[in-house]
Amino acid sequence: ETGVTQTPRHLVMGMTNKKSLKCEQHLGHNAMYWYKQSAKKPLELMFVYNFKEQTENNSVPSRFSPECPNSSHLFLHLHTLQPEDSALYLCASSQAWADPGYNEQFFGPGTRLTVL
Amino acid sequence: AQTVTQSQPEMSVQEAETVTLSCTYDTSESDYYLFWYKQPPSRQMILVIRQEAYKQQNATENRFSVNFQKAAKSFSLKISDSQLGDAAMYFCAYSSNAGGTSYGKLTFGQGTILTVHP
Repeated sequence: ETGVTQTPRHLVMGMTNKKSLKCEQHLGHNAMYWYKQSAKKPLELMFVYNFKEQTENNSVPSRFSPECPNSSHLFLHLHTLQPEDSALYLCASSQAWADPGYNEQFFGPGTRLTVL
Repeated sequence: AQTVTQSQPEMSVQEAETVTLSCTYDTSESDYYLFWYKQPPSRQMILVIRQEAYKQQNATENRFSVNFQKAAKSFSLKISDSQLGDAAMYFCAYSSNAGGTSYGKLTFGQGTILTVHP
């Protein structure tokens, strides 16, 4: 596997379910990100982890719970979601604290989440 | 806070022709970076081109070039000799180089869907 991988690629869940999204990067990066992509809206940054420490929580509801056990893996735990949470969830990684101009973020293919 | 605006939800171009995608941004900073990212239908977003705000020369990457107008806070992407593989959603993004909590974070526009007709 190369780059940034995400599983599952598609997920359908009910509002009372608990599920987790997984992201793995094989690039030796030490910063990882969760974004939410909804139709006709800009990508919304949700969480940022640098060296396994959460450095950004962009006012995300507590029904989304991130976990970063190491620099290569990032999870997003989901529980009691709402239909408006249906979206494409993208994971990205980069080199933490590097010059932003060259701190290219590498994205995964995303998980298409549908909440019924 | 910085904002990025892409006013063209959709654009189309004939194969081999040239198309320009628009982007404007709002910031009070003088040191920053601008990017164009491409998201093909397979969803994996990739970087197309980057521009450093303190460089007056417009960035170029093969068929992709930008028109960076710092005073007007405008950052358009020109795709020359369009190919079918250029069909994708294109996002303009801003990154601060000013330090603090915004350092390195990307702020994206709403995206422009580009269709390439054969």
